[in-house]
Amino acid sequence: EVQLLESGGGLVQPGGSLRLSCETSGFIFSSYAMSWVRLAPGKGLEWVSGITNSGGSTYYADSVKGRFIISRDNSKNTLYLEVKSLRVEDTAVYYCAKAVGHYSSLDRFDYWGQGTLVSVSS
Amino acid sequence: EIVLTQSPGTLSLSPGERATLSCRASQSVSSSQLAWYQHKPGQAPRLLIYGASTRATGIPDRFSGSGSGTDFTLTISRLEPEDFAVYYCQQYGSSPQTFGQGTKLEIK
Repeated sequence: EVQLLESGGGLVQPGGSLRLSCETSGFIFSSYAMSWVRLAPGKGLEWVSGITNSGGSTYYADSVKGRFIISRDNSKNTLYLEVKSLRVEDTAVYYCAKAVGHYSSLDRFDYWGQGTLVSVSS
Repeated sequence: EIVLTQSPGTLSLSPGERATLSCRASQSVSSSQLAWYQHKPGQAPRLLIYGASTRATGIPDRFSGSGSGTDFTLTISRLEPEDFAVYYCQQYGSSPQTFGQGTKLEIK
């Protein structure tokens, strides 16, 4: 059974940082691209960042470029998102999502986690 | 960036009825690379449809997708109680991939 479990969210002040993790099991993690997608209150889903199966290429939405860093540890079957210089508008539930393919950040997602909440407030 | 506009924002129907959800793109979606997801509060989103009309593994045949270019539709032929949720469309043909703002399907 494929499982994705996010952690690391919390309440943080504007300008603060967090490191989100997504532990996975039930599939060959090193074979698939992965992404982070967020859902802000009252809004729709927003793709945030993606990474190829090897970790060799990373991709970011313009709204987070320069502030967020995606990475993965294929030996630990874990995906990460380091979020820095947080803004109020970054408040959202952050989901990790497994891409169907190996390489592209442009893909549909066949498995998702249940999300971790990041709240940015003073 | 391709903007996806979903309508209606909220759809109120009863179990057994037919639901028709719309997703309109600001530009043509490449190779019908359009997916639909179901999302219930506190749960992981679930892939329903990809390639505009192909059901994902394990998805009941009451769910169907259609459309091409800029206009896409998700149809649920006979609503079951478990179908009441928020539905999102996603285009993954052009960078950056984008999602619609969602349609909430609620029990009337």
